[in-house]
Amino acid sequence: NAGVMQNPRHLVRRRGQEARLRCSPMKGHSHVYWYRQLPEEGLKFMVYLQKENIIDESGMPKERFSAEFPKEGPSILRIQQVVRGDSAAYFCASSSSNSGGKETQYFGPGTRLLVL
Amino acid sequence: GENVEQHPSTLSVQEGDSAVIKCTYSDSASNYFPWYKQELGKRPQLIIDIRSNVGEKKDQRIAVTLNKTAKHFSLHITETQPEDSAVYFCAATLVGGGADGLTFGKGTHLIIQP
Repeated sequence: NAGVMQNPRHLVRRRGQEARLRCSPMKGHSHVYWYRQLPEEGLKFMVYLQKENIIDESGMPKERFSAEFPKEGPSILRIQQVVRGDSAAYFCASSSSNSGGKETQYFGPGTRLLVL
Repeated sequence: GENVEQHPSTLSVQEGDSAVIKCTYSDSASNYFPWYKQELGKRPQLIIDIRSNVGEKKDQRIAVTLNKTAKHFSLHITETQPEDSAVYFCAATLVGGGADGLTFGKGTHLIIQP
């Protein structure tokens, strides 16, 4: 059973370009979470999605950032018009449920975004 | 929203000694408290978690205690080994409440001295 997969693992963008980060949850998991980690800091929650629905986006900046989890395919975190402050590691996690002892979140390897 | 404080930020212990990391949380409704270990450049990996209906949980050399009244929980690692060196994060959330994202502490860099 493959774990959570993310690609690309490293992404370099110039200021003003778009960044697309992809996350495939573990098999059987329908809950996806995105987190951002700045160097030497903890992880900050951004958004929680289930298939075709955004459940909680309270941690996501209102502008330039968007996320989706379509019926088919991976979850996508999209950052438009990137700025240097967007440089960070972006981690995706998945769980099989949000209750009943199945809420454990398993993390992917992350995408390291560098904005030049 | 939830706020999690974690101490210490750095902890150095002799190999074989015990290490204790403490966290406090602000939202009394939180009911799920996982601990993650992150090695440099790697993904966070769950090492142990506890739910609010339990006061203590143990898994070999690792244990977690939870005090709901005081809103704090702690990670205990006994008989530390060099491979325990990493950054450890505590987290808290209310599962099933529609806002299931984890709120993390800022991390503790654990250094095991040989």
